[in-house]
Order: sequence, then structure tokens, then C-alpha cells
Amino acid sequence: DGGITQSPKYLFRKEGQNVTLSCEQNLNHDAMYWYRQDPGQGLRLIYYSQIVNDFQKGDIAEGYSVSREKKESFPLTVTSAQKNPTAFYLCASSMRTATGGLGFFGQGTRLTVV
Amino acid sequence: GENVEQHPSTLSVQEGDSAVIKCTYSDSASNYFPWYKQELGKGPQLIIDIRSNVGEKKDQRIAVTLNKTAKHFSLHITETQPEDSAVYFCAASSSSGYSTLTFGKGTMLLVSP
Repeated sequence: DGGITQSPKYLFRKEGQNVTLSCEQNLNHDAMYWYRQDPGQGLRLIYYSQIVNDFQKGDIAEGYSVSREKKESFPLTVTSAQKNPTAFYLCASSMRTATGGLGFFGQGTRLTVV
Repeated sequence: GENVEQHPSTLSVQEGDSAVIKCTYSDSASNYFPWYKQELGKGPQLIIDIRSNVGEKKDQRIAVTLNKTAKHFSLHITETQPEDSAVYFCAASSSSGYSTLTFGKGTMLLVSP
């Protein structure tokens, strides 16, 4: 089945550590996105990538980094510079279309700083 | 940039009633408006979307309406069922290839049997 796989589902990190969240898609989508979700908040865009080896900052990129070495993969690193990293992280992908659209989300990774 | 406001934040209805969730947006260039349903601990799922050249779209018990002049769009769920209970998000984007979405803060819908 085609879809987006995020791993792990739950992740615990000590303060001061970097941690990487995985996102893989087998939908042959060109674009991939990372969103952060906090309780009672909408989804806020962290980074997005329209093509391999290229990515752009979203609204809240500070303290995060990404890479896009393969079309299928878009890992997100939460660095120690991110002051409040505890949140639910969602990865998404979309087709290359002139009319926009974003139909597919992964199941999310819940990151907790301990 | 775009700003999307969503109301209400919580909505409780009895099974069989209708539910309406409303969103407003600020950027007149926005022309794509999807709605997502998110169940607890899961990622959002696209349930319906509408583009600016259409005023209304319906899919079984779900409908979305768009008023471009007033910059608002609404989700209508008829004959609600307990399994409709979830958080619903509206979003808006402009068509420019891979345009990114701006989301509302969500509405928690509770359908009581």
C-alpha cells in the first residue's frame, strides 16, 4: 500500500540532545513537508521541500534542520537549539500540481523532552 | 501572509443533528480550501476540499461552501454519527505549484449517542 511512514511513533529526548525523526513516502510525490502540532493549535509549517536536494524554511524553522537526499525521504532533526521541542510532529507529501493540494499525512511522531 | 481563523473551537451535538464549522481567511489570493479530520493520536486525513471556482461541494453527508467575497468557507456535516467525533481543521493556500497550507486551530467535534 502507498503511504507515508513516520518513525518512531514515540520519542524521548534529553535536554541538550539532537534527535532525528524519520519520514518515508512511496507515493512518488515530489514535495514533502514537516509540520508541528501543539495542543489546541493548528499545524505550523517547519520546513518543506519541492525537489531533491532543495528545501525551504517554513514559519517556525528555528532549531530544526532537514535534508532531502532522496525523493522518498525527508528526515527532520530537532536540535538542542529548539527551546520547546515537546510536540507532535507530522510529515506530509503532495503531488506536483498547478492547483496546489496536500492530501497525505503520516501518523505522526510524538516527541517528549525529559 | 495568510491567516486562517476557525470557529468554534469545540462543538457538541446529538447523534443525527447537523454540525457546522466556519473558517475565515485573509489572503484574497488563496484559492484552495481543504478540510481535514484528525482522530486521536493519528495524522490528519483529507475529507473534502473546494477550489475558488466552485461555490459548494458535497460528498455524501459532508459539504463545504465557499464565499470568496466574504473570505469565508464552512464545513457542514449532516446526520452526525459518533464516529464523526474528531478534531477538524480547515486550511487555505494559493495555487502556485507546491503551495503550502495555512491551517486553522481546529474544532473538536463531539457527537453524543
